[in-house]
Parts: sequence; structure tokens; C-alpha cells
Amino acid sequence: GQQVMQIPQYQHVQEGEDFTTYCNSSTTLSNIQWYKQRPGGHPVFLIQLVKSGEVKKQKRLTFQFGEAKKNSSLHITATQTTDVGTYFCAGPRAGGTSYGKLTFGQGTILTVHP
Amino acid sequence: NAGVTQTPKFQVLKTGQSMTLQCAQDMNHEYMSWYRQDPGMGLRLIHYSVGAGITDQGEVPNGYNVSRSTTEDFPLRLLSAAPSQTSVYFCASSYQGLQSGANVLTFGAGSRLTVL
Repeated sequence: GQQVMQIPQYQHVQEGEDFTTYCNSSTTLSNIQWYKQRPGGHPVFLIQLVKSGEVKKQKRLTFQFGEAKKNSSLHITATQTTDVGTYFCAGPRAGGTSYGKLTFGQGTILTVHP
Repeated sequence: NAGVTQTPKFQVLKTGQSMTLQCAQDMNHEYMSWYRQDPGMGLRLIHYSVGAGITDQGEVPNGYNVSRSTTEDFPLRLLSAAPSQTSVYFCASSYQGLQSGANVLTFGAGSRLTVL
């Protein structure tokens, strides 16, 4: 079945360092979504990428969708303690539209040391 | 708007007991889903619904039942709890469309279940 792999599983950085998490799907995706979950909280939607090669920025966060629409990355520049949490990528199951059905990566847990 | 509301937040069960996790949304979203979160495994889809009266299985449906009698409510039932069902459960809703915000999940705060 469809698999979405995410690496690394853990990342520890000093405040001010950059951070990147990578997401790879076994199937081509119509779109990819990123979510952030703060410790003890629930996942919160960050962004959706739809087009091949798309790059979107949200302040210090840069999201990319691969040309083949099978991989994606999230890069955070100059991390802050507020960036702590787990970052998930997710794609629609079976390559179709979402209908509330997403396959999530395992997540990358980011800790930031002040 | 309250968004997606889940109850209870915490629950401890003994093996073999039954219970229902409640989920309600007030955003008039047609799609609702249940995920479970376990360490190192991300979120896995249990069941989902595309509208009142319509449900289907996700990736890990065994041991769980759902029903969708109204647009707002999507309860998850554990008929005979097992220790393997110890997890954090998230309910989510979404709607289909082309506008910003469509096709993405809004999650509830989660229900932490421990089965002894």
C-alpha cells in the first residue's frame, strides 16, 4: 500500500541553527500537506503544496514539493524555541483527493536548545 | 465556532470493556475521520465518513466501529478494549473545495486512552 516516509525521526538543534525534514511517498501525490504538533497538543495545518516543483514560504519556513510530486521538504531557518514540536507531512490516500483520508509520515520531532 | 470537540480527554479502561469516544464539529464539514497516534508511527487512519450515513474503513479499522447519523457527530466505539488500543485518538474534519482551507484537516484536541 501507499507509504509516506519521513526523515529524520528526531532532530536536536541549537537555537539559531537551521532545520530540515524530508518526506518521500511511494506513490505520486496530487498534493502534500504539512502539519505541526506542539508537545501535548494536536496537529495543526501549516501548508498545502499542489504543483510540481512548488516552493512556498511562511516567514522562516520554506516548503518544497518535488518535480515528480513524490517528495517534499520543510526547512526552518534560524530555529527558535517556539519551533519545538513534531512536524508531519501527509498525502491523500490512494493518490486521489483527500476526502479526509490522508497518509501521514512518521513525523520529525524537533527540539531546540536555547 | 468551537471547531472539532472530542470527549473524553483521558480514559482508562480494563481489557474487555467497551466505550465510545465522542467527536462533534460545528463547521458543517462533510468529511470526518478518526486517527490514532502511536510513538514513531505517525497518525494512522481508523475510519472515515464522507457524509451522514456513509462510513468506510481506513488503515487500521479492526476493533473499532463508527456511525454517522448527523453531519456534526462521528463517534468511535471500542466494543471490547485491548491493550493494543492504548493510544491517542484524534478526530478530524474537512471539506472539499477549491478555496483556501479546503481539503485540509482540522483536528480535535485528542483523547488519550489507556487499556490495562
